Amino acid sequence: DGGITQSPKYLFRKEGQNVTLSCEQNLNHDAMYWYRQDPGQGLRLIYYSQIVNDFQKGDIAEGYSVSREKKESFPLTVTSAQKNPTAFYLCASSMGSWDQPQHFGDGTRLSIL
Amino acid sequence: AQSVAQPEDQVNVAEGNPLTVKCTYSVSGNPYLFWYVQYPNRGLQFLLKYITGDNLVKGSYGFEAEFNKSQTSFHLKKPSALVSDSALYFCAVRLNTNAGKSTFGDGTTLTVKP
Repeated sequence: DGGITQSPKYLFRKEGQNVTLSCEQNLNHDAMYWYRQDPGQGLRLIYYSQIVNDFQKGDIAEGYSVSREKKESFPLTVTSAQKNPTAFYLCASSMGSWDQPQHFGDGTRLSIL
Repeated sequence: AQSVAQPEDQVNVAEGNPLTVKCTYSVSGNPYLFWYVQYPNRGLQFLLKYITGDNLVKGSYGFEAEFNKSQTSFHLKKPSALVSDSALYFCAVRLNTNAGKSTFGDGTTLTVKP
């Protein structure tokens, strides 16, 4: 079955540590996205990528970094500069046309130790 | 700038009754509008979309939504609610400019009681 796989499902970060969240899709989608979800705040866009080797900052990119070396993969690194990283992180992908819906993974819940 | 408002944090309905989850939007241009549903500890699932044409669009699981351009609204509806419809619902707007960035509402928790 085609879809988006996020791993791990749960992740814990120590102070001063960088952690990387994995996102892989086999839908052959060009565009990929990272969102942060906090209770009562909906989804906020962190980074997005429309093609391989290119990505843009979203609304809350500070303290995060991404790479897009392969079409299927869009990993997100939460750096130590992100002071409040505890959240539910969602990866999504979509076809290149903007009238197409986004497909979401099942998320990674990041907590601080 | 584009924005989405879901004015109700919570909607409660009895099983078998009709349900409405409200959404209004603000954009400069013609919007693409979407509804998604999220179950606990899961990602969002696409329900339906409005792109152009008929103002009433039908989607998955018996849901439908009505696009109203004059009121800039896109309310989600279902004629007869099921307990299994209980979930968090998100409205989203997208333009064919702005790199296709989506803006999501804050979500509405729907609770259907038996």
